[in-house]
Amino acid sequence: EVLLVESGGGLIQPGGSLRLSCAASGFSVSDNYMSWVRQAPGKGLEWVSAIYTGDRTDYADSVKARFTISRDNSKNTLFLQMNNLRVDDAAMYFCAGDTTSVTAWRYWGQGTLVTVSS
Amino acid sequence: DIQMTQSPSSVSASVGDRVTITCRASQGISSWVAWYQQKPGKAPKLLIYEASSLQSGVPSRFSGSGSGTDFTLTISSLQPEDFATYFCQQCNSFPLTFGGGTKVEIK
Repeated sequence: EVLLVESGGGLIQPGGSLRLSCAASGFSVSDNYMSWVRQAPGKGLEWVSAIYTGDRTDYADSVKARFTISRDNSKNTLFLQMNNLRVDDAAMYFCAGDTTSVTAWRYWGQGTLVTVSS
Repeated sequence: DIQMTQSPSSVSASVGDRVTITCRASQGISSWVAWYQQKPGKAPKLLIYEASSLQSGVPSRFSGSGSGTDFTLTISSLQPEDFATYFCQQCNSFPLTFGGGTKVEIK
């Protein structure tokens, strides 16, 4: 059974930094295609970032140069380093992955909530 | 960026009804569309990929169609567990984008 478990969310002031983690079991983070997707309270889904073949990465324009996606193969964990956080970054952050598709994901975590407020 | 315009934003339906949700892409994306179901407080669940391929384990009452710019998700006979919000997503190119969502409510 595939399990993705996010952690690292919390309350942070604007301009601050957070590092989200997504620990995987039954699924190799290093060998597959991973993304972060977020959802502001009561709003729709927004893709944030992806990491895939050869550790190539892509980002939404809204987070480019502020967020960094990475993975630790030894820990089988996906990360999202978020710097210079803004109020509009507040959302539930989901990690998502798949074995065959970079861009559509069968496996999702339960999410971790990021609140950005002074 | 490719915009995905989803309609309707909400629909009221009864158990047994046929429900159709549409998504229009701002440019042609071949068959690179996925559909997700999301229930309150839960992560999205992949239903359909590549416009019409049913994800393993998803009931056959769900189907997808379309190519180019116009796509449809159909629930042939709505069941109580299908009341949820549905999102389309273009999988053609980065940045990946989602439709605004359709909330399927009990009539």
